[in-house]
This record gives sequence, structure tokens and C-alpha cells, in this order.
Amino acid sequence: GESVGLHLPTLSVQEGDNSIINCAYSNSASDYFIWYKQESGKGPQFIIDIRSNMDKRQGQRVTVLLNKTVKHLSLQIAATQPGDSAVYFCAEKLGGYQKVTFGTGTKLQVIP
Amino acid sequence: EPEVTQTPSHQVTQMGQEVILRCVPISNHLYFYWYRQILGQKVEFLVSFYNNEISEKSEIFDDQFSVERPDGSNFTLKIRSTKLEDSAMYFCASSVRGSNQPQHFGDGTRLSIL
Repeated sequence: GESVGLHLPTLSVQEGDNSIINCAYSNSASDYFIWYKQESGKGPQFIIDIRSNMDKRQGQRVTVLLNKTVKHLSLQIAATQPGDSAVYFCAEKLGGYQKVTFGTGTKLQVIP
Repeated sequence: EPEVTQTPSHQVTQMGQEVILRCVPISNHLYFYWYRQILGQKVEFLVSFYNNEISEKSEIFDDQFSVERPDGSNFTLKIRSTKLEDSAMYFCASSVRGSNQPQHFGDGTRLSIL
């Protein structure tokens, strides 16, 4: 259906290439960061997280980089596959609080 | 893999009516949450719940909203008198602990207010 409100930035990548999704987070006091993947009609799905005392964390085919100096997070997806097509959200959390604050999202389109 | 389940998947309600959205969190999780996502917008935090009480809530979570854990498995969100602007996807989430642990989300209930 038609979307109203925020216009999502879109990243188009060729199948098999690496993808890099960037995110600027808002609060310099945030100490925990998460990347979520949301497919159409589904809820946010946890991909990977990182604590503020780290600057890099690797998972299966995914890597998250954290640069606290410029409040920047990135998600790298290796060998992108059609099943990776989705909206990706970065999210942040302040220590001592349960609220997770989501970013605006980036739509990843994988071209077969 | 254990997952958060939500019912119904779609709820259509007349403005002014009460609605209850239901969730079954992951069984060994202790913290429960509700978020909402208005069409095309960000996912927004509503409330967190731990040890049978609200631990944190946002400014959106006003007196029209309430949460309850009526038994050992269900977690509900009630909206007492729905407004048109309550139309959104409502997501339930749960986590093992409250800090530095990922929150795992259900697939949501689409609430449509007529």
C-alpha cells in the first residue's frame, strides 16, 4: 500500500555484493545499539547488537561498526542475497532505561 | 526458535470503542513491551512492564492505555476509548533482562479505527 509520512532512503545493491547501511544516532549518552530488519507485514527482527564499549562486532554475514565520536553506526552485509531485501532500522538505548529509540530506517533492495 | 506471538493480526474497531490487543511473550523473558508504528513512520515506544508493574512509559501512553499480565503467559494492551489517530501497527516485544539485551518483537496487530 501507499506509504505516508517519512520517505525512506533506499539502497539498491546487486546480489552477491556487499551492502553498507549507515545510521546517525541521536543521543551521545546511549550505550547499547541494535540493528533490526523489518520485512513487509512483519515485526522488527533482531539482527545484531553492540555495546558502547566496543567499536566492532561480527555475526554471520553481518558486521556492525560503532563510531561514538560522530554518533554513527553502520551495518555491513556480506554477499547480499534477495532475502536480505527489507527495511533496516538502527536503534539505541540509554543505560538504565528499557525504551528503545528507533531510527527512520533504510530500505534495502537487492537486484537479482 | 521461540517467538513472540500476537493476536489478532488485524483488528477493526469503531471510534470510541474499547480494544484489547494480546501477546504471548517468549516464555523465559521477564520484560515486556508495547510499541506502535503508524503507517510509514518510525517504530515508537509505548510502555515497558516488569514484575507485574509498568517500569517505563512514553508520553503517548496516556490514561486511555493500560497493560496487564492476566496470567503466566499473556500480556495485553487495552485502549479504552479509541480515536482515529490510534490506527497503527502495535508490536509486542520481550527481553530476558531490561538492559543490554535485545528486545524480540512479534509480527504485530494492525489496528484500524473507523
